[in-house]
Amino acid sequence: GENVEQHPSTLSVQEGDSAVIKCTYSDSASNYFPWYKQELGKRPQLIIDIRSNVGEKKDQRIAVTLNKTAKHFSLHITETQPEDSAVYFCAASTGNTDKLIFGTGTRLQVFP
Amino acid sequence: DTGVSQDPRHKITKRGQNVTFRCDPISEHNRLYWYRQTLGQGPEFLTYFQNEAQLEKSRLLSDRFSAERPKGSFSTLEIQRTEQGDSAMYLCASSRQGSNEQFFGPGTRLTVL
Repeated sequence: GENVEQHPSTLSVQEGDSAVIKCTYSDSASNYFPWYKQELGKRPQLIIDIRSNVGEKKDQRIAVTLNKTAKHFSLHITETQPEDSAVYFCAASTGNTDKLIFGTGTRLQVFP
Repeated sequence: DTGVSQDPRHKITKRGQNVTFRCDPISEHNRLYWYRQTLGQGPEFLTYFQNEAQLEKSRLLSDRFSAERPKGSFSTLEIQRTEQGDSAMYLCASSRQGSNEQFFGPGTRLTVL
């Protein structure tokens, strides 16, 4: 069935360093890949997304890359700040309804 | 506030009771999704509406769960005869036709004692 794997489950970095989170999806028909940031007790918030006809997308300190052949996509955060600390979820949309299949999340901690 | 809203934010109930949650999507969004999130996991798809039509339900969704969107605006999710395993955060998301972007509500946290 449809599945999204996400690694690592936890990631600790020093402020100013880069952070990379990687995901793999199973459904080759998936064509939309969003990333959500969820702070404790808050709703998931869309931070960046990429569609299958694009290989890379950047938005300030955040970038996402997609390798359709390998069914991999990654989130890159540069110059991390303490306020980047949160749980990050990757997802892949699938089916006619564009429902999202989520990864299991990465808890990012940025130490000052 | 023009975002997705959910009510109530918290619900504590005893096992065997019925509960109902409400979701108000962003006004121009005709697509509405319900997800369930347990601690330490990503949201899990439950069901999808396009306007008032329920077009997909997860195979994992028990017969005790039912959802409606009678006028294509707000939606309700009812759980009958709640069980302790139903304890979770229930999230609603909406998107507009032609866009993949889903915007989430704050969720309803259900605790079944």
